[in-house]
Amino acid sequence: GAGVSQSPSNKVTEKGKDVELRCDPISGHTALYWYRQSLGQGLEFLIYFQGNSAPDKSGLPSDRFSAERTGGSVSTLTIQRTQQEDSAVYLCASSTSGPGELFFGEGSRLTVL
Amino acid sequence: GEDVEQSLFLSVREGDSSVINCTYTDSSSTYLYWYKQEPGAGLQLLTYIFSNMDMKQDQRLTVLLNKKDKHLSLRIADTQTGDSAIYFCAESRAAGNKLTFGGGTRVLVKP
Repeated sequence: GAGVSQSPSNKVTEKGKDVELRCDPISGHTALYWYRQSLGQGLEFLIYFQGNSAPDKSGLPSDRFSAERTGGSVSTLTIQRTQQEDSAVYLCASSTSGPGELFFGEGSRLTVL
Repeated sequence: GEDVEQSLFLSVREGDSSVINCTYTDSSSTYLYWYKQEPGAGLQLLTYIFSNMDMKQDQRLTVLLNKKDKHLSLRIADTQTGDSAIYFCAESRAAGNKLTFGGGTRVLVKP
């Protein structure tokens, strides 16, 4: 497709389980971002990949969160030992290197029971 | 660190003008953006302004930047019901850098 694709669109898991969220960015976009949107909250930056540079992980809330981007394209956000406060919509976006028009996916809604 | 603040909610009558305000703290902000999130949809870029500009107009949208006060506003002229959405202000230090978003302003347009 032409846009940013995220999967799964919805994930319900039990506290303590690990989850993986996937993002397929727009082809050719060098930058990829993960943000988290909690109910009634704004967008919380998690991690940013730009080309071959080391990722900016400054927004990851704890060491239970990690992300990788393979081959400069697809990215996976992993949350280990999920907690209820991890429940949120996880948004992925990609962009070219120009002024920040980020193209967002529709998000993966994570519910931790 | 960077911080971007917005009011939570705005109610406006159809046909009136809407003004959404945003303040930011990072004096190194180079680009400032307005994104729109419609119900059940992803965010979409509405417009952006470079920090050396005071104003940018694009059809019904006018962006005003007061760099001294670190204040950004978005004016929507002749607001329509389709303008009901959450509007996010964001800033970045450079092109291609990460964006820091505000909490979003929910705009409700009443007929």
